[in-house]
Amino acid sequence: DGGITQSPKYLFRKEGQNVTLSCEQNLNHDAMYWYRQDPGQGLRLIYYSQIVNDFQKGDIAEGYSVSREKKESFPLTVTSAQKNPTAFYLCASRPSGGSQPQHFGDGTRLSIL
Amino acid sequence: GESVGLHLPTLSVQEGDNSIINCAYSNSASDYFIWYKQESGKGPQFIIDIRSNMDKRQGQRVTVLLNKTVKHLSLQIAATQPGDSAVYFCAEQGAQKLVFGQGTRLTINP
Repeated sequence: DGGITQSPKYLFRKEGQNVTLSCEQNLNHDAMYWYRQDPGQGLRLIYYSQIVNDFQKGDIAEGYSVSREKKESFPLTVTSAQKNPTAFYLCASRPSGGSQPQHFGDGTRLSIL
Repeated sequence: GESVGLHLPTLSVQEGDNSIINCAYSNSASDYFIWYKQESGKGPQFIIDIRSNMDKRQGQRVTVLLNKTVKHLSLQIAATQPGDSAVYFCAEQGAQKLVFGQGTRLTINP
């Protein structure tokens, strides 16, 4: 089945540690996105990529980094510079061009030890 | 800047009744809107979308209405079922990103 796979489902970070969240899609979508969701809140855009080897900052990029070396993969690193990383992280993808909805994975919940 | 908001943070309905969830947007140039359903611990699931050249679109038990004059859209769920319990988000697809509202939590009473 085609879809978006995020891993791990739960992740714990120690102080001063960088952690990387995985997002893989087999939908052949050009564009991929990372969102952060805090309890009782909507989604806020961290980074997005519309094509391989290119990505742009979203609304809350500070303390995060991404790479897009392959079309199907868009990993997110939460760095030690992100002082409040506890949240639910969602990855999405969509085809480029036209009015097409984004499709989401089932998220990674990151907590601080 | 763009913003998308919802009128009510929570909505409680009786099982079998119709549910109406409202959403307001601020960018009059917006031309594509999406409704998502999010269950606890899961990612948002696409429900239905509508383009600005339409006023109404129907799916299975769901209808989206768009009023461009007052920049308002609504999601109607017919014969609400327990499985409809979730948080519902409207979103506006801009040139490069989605802008989400805060969400409405729909609770179904037996």
